Amino acid sequence: EVQLVQSGAEVKKPGESLRISCKGSGYSFTSHWISWVRQMPGKGLEWMGRIDPSDSYTNYSPSFRGHVTISADKSISTAYLQWSSLKASDTAMYYCARRREPIDYWGQGTLVTVSS
Amino acid sequence: QSVLTQPPSASGTPGQRVTISCSGSGSNIESNTVSWYHHLPGTAPKLLIYSNNQRPSGVPDRFSGSKSGTSASLAISGLQSEDEADYYCAAWDDSLNGPVFGTGTKVTVL
Repeated sequence: EVQLVQSGAEVKKPGESLRISCKGSGYSFTSHWISWVRQMPGKGLEWMGRIDPSDSYTNYSPSFRGHVTISADKSISTAYLQWSSLKASDTAMYYCARRREPIDYWGQGTLVTVSS
Repeated sequence: QSVLTQPPSASGTPGQRVTISCSGSGSNIESNTVSWYHHLPGTAPKLLIYSNNQRPSGVPDRFSGSKSGTSASLAISGLQSEDEADYYCAAWDDSLNGPVFGTGTKVTVL
């Protein structure tokens, strides 16, 4: 059974750093892209960027490039989304998702709350 | 920012048919296939339709999809209470070089 299991909810202060994770199982982790998708409170889904775990090639949506970093460790079938300096506007639910098109499996989401 | 436009809400009584539209452009829907997702906030979205009108294994045939030009639609026939959720369309966007999602439609079963 394909599963993407994400790390737990986080509460951070503005300016702090954060890395959240997404562990894949039930399939060959290097066979499919992992994307990260943001959902701000009461809003829709936004694609942030993706990584190819086989070679760690990434590409980002212009809206998120330079503000987040996507990485992966294929030895432990895990992808990451990280911020070096969080803002209050980063408060959102973040989902990881598998495959280029269509996205077929999603993680359960990680709620990130940034508040002073 | 969502690039695909959906109505914010749709509703029906049990057993009725509900249709949700999704409007895009030449760089996404017109050039690529459309997928649809069922989403209960705080849970993992679930793929309902891919390649415009294909259902993954396990998705009831009450759900059907279609596409024409720069628009697509999802139909739910025989509406059931468990169909209450948010529904999102999605398509690859050649300009973004990534997927774009719809604004989302909340379906209510009256």
